[in-house]
Amino acid sequence: QQQVKQSPQSLIVQKGGISIINCAYENTAFDYFPWYQQFPGKGPALLIAIRPDVSEKKEGRFTISFNKSAKQFSLHIMDSQPGDSATYFCAASIEGNTPLVFGKGTRLSVIA
Amino acid sequence: DVKVTQSSRYLVKRTGEKVFLECVQDMDHENMFWYRQDPGLGLRLIYFSYDVKMKEKGDIPEGYSVSREKKERFSLILESASTNQTSMYLCASSPPTGNTGELFFGEGSRLTVL
Repeated sequence: QQQVKQSPQSLIVQKGGISIINCAYENTAFDYFPWYQQFPGKGPALLIAIRPDVSEKKEGRFTISFNKSAKQFSLHIMDSQPGDSATYFCAASIEGNTPLVFGKGTRLSVIA
Repeated sequence: DVKVTQSSRYLVKRTGEKVFLECVQDMDHENMFWYRQDPGLGLRLIYFSYDVKMKEKGDIPEGYSVSREKKERFSLILESASTNQTSMYLCASSPPTGNTGELFFGEGSRLTVL
């Protein structure tokens, strides 16, 4: 019940295209859903996060879509750029209760 | 700038050796975490601490222990290193905002056990 399932494991997108990464969870008590971005040789860094009281959150080219009934959330990267090439992790937690549980990661490559 | 510093970026140890991985944060954060990162397995929580001298087991604590004697320092200890502990180890810290505070990660310590 603590798992967060992330797909795909790897993704190749053309420059200017839309990158979509999906995550699904089982524990309906989760109430915080962040995405972390990790470049080679660096630690992950918070990219964007959402709480289940909204269905979408947008920050620049990055959007989280959240479907509470389906227990799914996804990251959309619009106008993908080579500089977006990184590993992306979704995560979930229960506020005030448990540490973040991470998905297994998606390696995104944006090619020119 | 916030900073989490892991003292060793690369280590090579022999099976059976005792290994210390050190992590220091300069943000006065209460919460600190040790994760292990392996290809295809993502980030798995080993141990975490919400206060000095306090520790809690994560999902994969077997073969590891931790020490938190000071607020800014959280050490991961491998009492007797084994080859299956070859991995990237990531330390993180966060402020005391429940479990929804932003995690700040170090750059990782890549451990190879021969």
